[in-house]
Amino acid sequence: QVQLQESGPGLVKPSGTLSLTCAVSGGSISSSNWWSWVRQPPGKELEWIGEIYHSGSTNYNPSLKSRVTISVDKSNNQFSLKLSSVTAADTAVYYCARVIPGAIYFDSWGQGTLVTVSS
Amino acid sequence: QSALTQPPSASGSPGQSVTISCTGTSSDVGGYNYVSWYQQHPGKAPKVMIYEVSKRPSGVPDRFSGSKSDNTASLTVSGLQAEDEADYYCCSYAGSNNVIFGGGTKLTVL
Repeated sequence: QVQLQESGPGLVKPSGTLSLTCAVSGGSISSSNWWSWVRQPPGKELEWIGEIYHSGSTNYNPSLKSRVTISVDKSNNQFSLKLSSVTAADTAVYYCARVIPGAIYFDSWGQGTLVTVSS
Repeated sequence: QSALTQPPSASGSPGQSVTISCTGTSSDVGGYNYVSWYQQHPGKAPKVMIYEVSKRPSGVPDRFSGSKSDNTASLTVSGLQAEDEADYYCCSYAGSNNVIFGGGTKLTVL
């Protein structure tokens, strides 16, 4: 049973860069899955941020593409998210999730981590 | 792109059935059979209940079912139980390697 765990700073200053890591256990990040980031502002809906394959191929939400970078670290079985030029609107719980190939759904999720953008 | 449209709330008594709709366009819900539904209890991560419109992952009760007609997908919960009270989100592939979620529906078991 694969498990995912997000980690990173819980507070980021406006105009700064949000950085999070998702550690994958119980399975290999080099399996035939894509690995995704999803966020949820307090009291609001889920928003897909983007995804990465172990080869390094990425897909991003068009509305966030200019500010997002997702990378993979196969040696440590983890992948990461960077979101630049953050504002208060980027305050959210950030989840990492595994995507089932060919069926396009998220079958395993991390517990989520709250990131607040504030000075 | 805009989020898929869901009713903000739905409710039913224990044992009853309730259906939650998810309306998109021919570019997302209507164009692909990649609609999934997620249950989210307060403070918890989402859990997939339905994928590919109507398929249930192992472990999900058969009280949960999904369907689609044109640009609208639906999730039906039959035989409502107290533990079904949660937020439900639909999700669809939107082409060009993009995925969109619905606005969410709060299901209340009366």
